[in-house]
Amino acid sequence: DTGVSQNPRHKITKRGQNVTFRCDPISEHNRLYWYRQTLGQGPEFLTYFQNEAQLEKSRLLSDRFSAERPKGSFSTLEIQRTEQGDSAMYLCASSSTSNEKLFFGSGTQLSVL
Amino acid sequence: DQQVKQNSPSLSVQEGRISILNCDYTNSMFDYFLWYKKYPAEGPTFLISISSIKDKNEDGRFTVFLNKSAKHLSLHIVPSQPGDSAVYFCAARRGSGDKLTFGTGTRLAVRP
Repeated sequence: DTGVSQNPRHKITKRGQNVTFRCDPISEHNRLYWYRQTLGQGPEFLTYFQNEAQLEKSRLLSDRFSAERPKGSFSTLEIQRTEQGDSAMYLCASSSTSNEKLFFGSGTQLSVL
Repeated sequence: DQQVKQNSPSLSVQEGRISILNCDYTNSMFDYFLWYKKYPAEGPTFLISISSIKDKNEDGRFTVFLNKSAKHLSLHIVPSQPGDSAVYFCAARRGSGDKLTFGTGTRLAVRP
């Protein structure tokens, strides 16, 4: 069990650029979640996959955001035309059907200048 | 609409004493509750959980109490240790496989 891995740990980009983050869940976990956290707030749900199927998307996830989990293993989260309001910690978590606990990665800290 | 609320943004406790962190929720459909602990620059880590069919769950120094009628849960840490200093998040879900909804967190500082 190597835990949930997220890359990169930090990303600084200019407004208007596209960014992509990667998440590698715990290998036997079939569920994968993306959350976003800003300063002073708790993690806010963005989207959720069970295997390769994207089962739920938050209304926070604008058209500029897209997430994929093509083979039911790793996942990517892309933000197009970044805005300063996108600056946040993006957290990935995974879980298995038999265990309701979510295991989080260390997150990707995005700064949009 | 904040369905999970942690009204105390911070708490300071003397080492060896009890820390009590509180959480309120509004959605009566929540059936499972969890506490997570977060250190700076790390993701949240699971601490303890409780199902809505129970009113107490204990794990070592950590105990979670659930009062369904009041829609309130609390986390007790006793004795508190300096290493417990972190941000604690309360989270809840509505059913198996549902996403977790988090509170805004309480920053605990345990003074040596």
